[in-house]
Amino acid sequence: GIQVEQSPPDLILQEGANSTLRCNFSDSVNNLQWFHQNPWGQLINLFYIPSGTKQNGRLSATTVATERYSLLYISSSQTTDSGVYFCAVELRGSYIPTFGRGTSLIVHP
Amino acid sequence: NAGVMQNPRHLVRRRGQEARLRCSPMKGHSHVYWYRQLPEEGLKFMVYLQKENIIDESGMPKERFSAEFPKEGPSILRIQQVVRGDSAAYFCASSPGQILPTGELFFGEGSRLTVL
Repeated sequence: GIQVEQSPPDLILQEGANSTLRCNFSDSVNNLQWFHQNPWGQLINLFYIPSGTKQNGRLSATTVATERYSLLYISSSQTTDSGVYFCAVELRGSYIPTFGRGTSLIVHP
Repeated sequence: NAGVMQNPRHLVRRRGQEARLRCSPMKGHSHVYWYRQLPEEGLKFMVYLQKENIIDESGMPKERFSAEFPKEGPSILRIQQVVRGDSAAYFCASSPGQILPTGELFFGEGSRLTVL
């Protein structure tokens, strides 16, 4: 099956710092999503981004499908950004999104 | 526009009992996915269903676990004769799409099962 690798596994930031999270995948994909799991366990949709670049406030994401990676940028981080960030990719023709192991982010005030 | 609804949010069972977890997809969504999350781990796919059909159950243990998505009512994940290793958060997601899913998942808040 498809391999999804996220890096770094853990990240600690001071409030106001910027960061880049990476998601590498091993095969051609139909779809890619980024999620934020907050400290209460809720999974929040951030981006549905099979290719290209999208921005939403302080967050933006870029997927380069031909090179099999996606990046999530967090600018001017806030303590509420803490949690785990997951990417989920769907192998072409499979209809089953596969999750990476996530990046655990802690933002200190 | 209600999101994906899961219940119960928390469930405690003793070893050997049955657990039933329910999921109502977003309005208009006919594709339902169940994932399991163990502590400190990512989400592992269990089963993908459309109305009245199991499409892919390759991630679901063959024994004790079953899932359904009837024509009327919520999708149900059933775990019989629970063991301590079944303790986890079980997440349901739905996806839009008439026949095929679009691939965009919308998650419920999860059901946290604790087996004593």
